Amino acid sequence: DSGVTQTPKHLITATGQRVTLRCSPRSGDLSVYWYQQSLDQGLQFLIQYYNGEERAKGNILERFSAQQFPDLHSELNLSSLELGDSALYFCASSGLAGPTDTQYFGPGTRLTVL
Amino acid sequence: KNEVEQSPQNLTAQEGEFITINCSYSVGISALHWLQQHPGGGIVSLFMLSSGKKKHGRLIATINIQEKHSSLHITASHPRDSAVYICAVRYIFGNQFYFGTGTSLTVIP
Repeated sequence: DSGVTQTPKHLITATGQRVTLRCSPRSGDLSVYWYQQSLDQGLQFLIQYYNGEERAKGNILERFSAQQFPDLHSELNLSSLELGDSALYFCASSGLAGPTDTQYFGPGTRLTVL
Repeated sequence: KNEVEQSPQNLTAQEGEFITINCSYSVGISALHWLQQHPGGGIVSLFMLSSGKKKHGRLIATINIQEKHSSLHITASHPRDSAVYICAVRYIFGNQFYFGTGTSLTVIP
C-alpha cells in the first residue's frame, strides 16, 4: 500500500459525458502527478501540481483539467469524453517537486467510455 | 516517435537467471526512473537515478549520462519478479516525463 488513494476504482460512462477522478496523496506529500495509461499509447504524463500550483504540463488534452486543493488532494476532470479516453488513470505523489523525488503511485482508476 | 526506447519488449527467463533490461533516451535528463507494474496493474517505483549505480536487494540499476543509457539488472531472478518494467525520464527542458513502452518479464520456475 503506497498511501496514495484514488477514487473511484472503476468508472463506466458514455461518450460526451464528464467525469471527475479524485486522488489523495500520501500524508505530507506536496506534489501530485496524473498519468494516463492506454493500450495503444502506454503511460503518458498529464500534469503535475505542487502545493496547489501547476508545476509541469504534459500531453493533457484541452478537454481535461486538473486542480490541487488546499488540503492537497487533487481532481482530474475529463469532459466531452470520447471512446479513446478509455484508459487507466494513475495519480502519484512525492514529497517535493524535484525530478529526483521518488513517486508513490495510487492503484489507478479504470475509465471505460462506451 | 517515442523519446525513450526500451529493449527487449518481452523477456522470458528461467528462475535463477541474470536479467538485463535496457533503456536509452535522446536528450538531457534531470532524472531517470525505473518502475515495476504488477499483473494487477499497480505501479511501484524501483529506482531514481541521476548518475552512477544503485542497488536494492537483487535489483541493480545503472546509468551512463554521456551515452544516454540505463540498465536494470535482476540477479537470481524469481517468478515473483514477473512484471512489466518501465523506464521513465524527466527531461531538463520542459520538465515533462516520457515513458518507455515497457519490458514484459516472465520468470519460469
